[in-house]
Amino acid sequence: GENVEQHPSTLSVQEGDSAVIKCTYSDSASNYFPWYKQELGKGPQLIIDIRSNVGEKKDQRIAVTLNKTAKHFSLHITETQPEDSAVYFCAASLTGTASKLTFGTGTRLQVTL
Amino acid sequence: NAGVTQTPKFRILKIGQSMTLQCAQDMNHNYMYWYRQDPGMGLKLIYYSVGAGITDKGEVPNGYNVSRSTTEDFPLRLELAAPSQTSVYFCASSSTPISTNEKLFFGSGTQLSVL
Repeated sequence: GENVEQHPSTLSVQEGDSAVIKCTYSDSASNYFPWYKQELGKGPQLIIDIRSNVGEKKDQRIAVTLNKTAKHFSLHITETQPEDSAVYFCAASLTGTASKLTFGTGTRLQVTL
Repeated sequence: NAGVTQTPKFRILKIGQSMTLQCAQDMNHNYMYWYRQDPGMGLKLIYYSVGAGITDKGEVPNGYNVSRSTTEDFPLRLELAAPSQTSVYFCASSSTPISTNEKLFFGSGTQLSVL
């Protein structure tokens, strides 16, 4: 089955700096790669996603890049703000399986003032 | 706009007890899921359902049961609670399969401790 590895497990940045979280996946058949943000005491929420026919996608301060050859994808957050502090999960969807996402182990991002 | 509602938010069980975690969604989604979240382990799929009357096992189904009698509700049953089931449980739903790039809507979770 699919295996998703996520690094780093914790990340501390100063407000205004950029943050990068990286994930690798094992199954070349995966074609959908979402990123979820989980704030304390809440369920994860989708913040951005990318499909395998696209190399990069941006949404304001957030961007995701995908390298299909290397089987890795990354989340980039620019001009970080305190409200960006949360746990971020990457995930991959295996083509051909009806309704399953394989999640990474999460990155706890702390934005300090 | 309730979305996905989970109850209870917290629960402590004794070993061997049973309980049902409730999940309801009001978005008329066909697909519903149960995940467990352990520290440093990400989210693991327990069971999922593609519609009323249809359920299937996920990655970690042992010790759990589900049913889907209506589109709205997807309860998760623990029959003989064990310490290994101490975790945070999330219910989620989507309108189409994940493989068609549909996003998951998560509930706020149930924190379960088995002592």
